[in-house]
Amino acid sequence: AQTVTQSQPEMSVQEAETVTLSCTYDTSESDYYLFWYKQPPSRQMILVIRQEAYKQQNATENRFSVNFQKAAKSFSLKISDSQLGDAAMYFCAYRSANFGNEKLTFGTGTRLTIIP
Amino acid sequence: DAGVTQSPTHLIKTRGQQVTLRCSPISGHKSVSWYQQVLGQGPQFIFQYYEKEERGRGNFPDRFSARQFPNYSSELNVNALLLGDSALYLCASSLAWDRESGNTIYFGEGSWLTVV
Repeated sequence: AQTVTQSQPEMSVQEAETVTLSCTYDTSESDYYLFWYKQPPSRQMILVIRQEAYKQQNATENRFSVNFQKAAKSFSLKISDSQLGDAAMYFCAYRSANFGNEKLTFGTGTRLTIIP
Repeated sequence: DAGVTQSPTHLIKTRGQQVTLRCSPISGHKSVSWYQQVLGQGPQFIFQYYEKEERGRGNFPDRFSARQFPNYSSELNVNALLLGDSALYLCASSLAWDRESGNTIYFGEGSWLTVV
């Protein structure tokens, strides 16, 4: 079974600064997907960024980028130029690339606070 | 286009009662999944349905059941409610398998269930 670990229950960052959220995972599979989801107080899970394990290039989406270390099974999220709207719970998630398997395994989350 | 819609948004039930939660996926999405999110934790996978067939089941008791209709909407049923069933129930949908997109999974805003 796959597991996802987020070791930082809470993080804070000054507005406009950069913050990195950590995530490690454990799997015996070689092909999979990793995701970062954001959950604001409205509770809707919003996809932030996605990484395919078969791609060596780290994914980027505007101010969000990841550092994917497949051998180390590490998948961190970097948020640059932090904005007040970035405040939320952030969840790291794993999904197998096996056809038809859409189970997401989530970590316990990191609460990100933005300090004005 | 409408996103994943869930109903009801909030409900209160008494121990021992039964509850039905409903989900309409994004138009064109044939896969629907259900997750339970207890306060302070990450979502836990309950079920996945694709083309009206169960494709995955998480570690939940038989009190939990689900089904998918010909229009791809879905219902989650929980019988004999326990206090511990109090949680946010999230529905998610995705397109048919696409290697490149990694089957991005979109979430609804959830149904808050309180069992008293």
